[in-house]
Amino acid sequence: RKEVEQDPGPFNVPEGATVAFNCTYSNSASQSFFWYRQDCRKEPKLLMSVYSSGNEDGRFTAQLNRASQYISLLIRDSKLSDSATYLCVVINTSGTYKYIFGTGTRLKVLA
Amino acid sequence: EPEVTQTPSHQVTQMGQEVILRCVPISNHLYFYWYRQILGQKVEFLVSFYNNEISEKSEIFDDQFSVERPDGSNFTLKIRSTKLEDSAMYFCASSPQGGNQPQHFGDGTRLSIL
Repeated sequence: RKEVEQDPGPFNVPEGATVAFNCTYSNSASQSFFWYRQDCRKEPKLLMSVYSSGNEDGRFTAQLNRASQYISLLIRDSKLSDSATYLCVVINTSGTYKYIFGTGTRLKVLA
Repeated sequence: EPEVTQTPSHQVTQMGQEVILRCVPISNHLYFYWYRQILGQKVEFLVSFYNNEISEKSEIFDDQFSVERPDGSNFTLKIRSTKLEDSAMYFCASSPQGGNQPQHFGDGTRLSIL
């Protein structure tokens, strides 16, 4: 089983739609979780950290389910500018805080 | 907003040559990382660096790779004898401390080995 798994997509959605991505992780001792966005051939940019209680930042909501070992990202009212690859990132308790990336989920928002 | 800077943005090198990729992390950050992303694949961890020494390295980071923080601001990745399969995007990242602090990424160096 991969350490961090994501559906690669692509998810093609119309502007204004709500879209959700899931990510599963294999190590139950994983401690920290993030969503990053990556535009084509660019660096990963932090979208949001994911907290146990769930958290929201504008149109974006992240949830963590430790029992089922998955995190989710919900995007409401999609904009054309949301088109990107969304990377799920996990930190395990190895003490070095290295990131373990998923393969990313590609989102294309259509006009 | 402070950012991680990387140079060069694109490096083209003959196979077997040495290459040095440079990074300037955010100034008050203590943890430094190199990652790479082969075209079409996921981002992979190479090495982490803290308190002037390597804290962890991946299987990819073999004897051909080394890192250095020569002057308190730069953080370099050296590949001694490049192979075709080293062609990738290399990202430097830094964080103020470990734990749940997010890492900030530079805009990467595209390394092309001919």
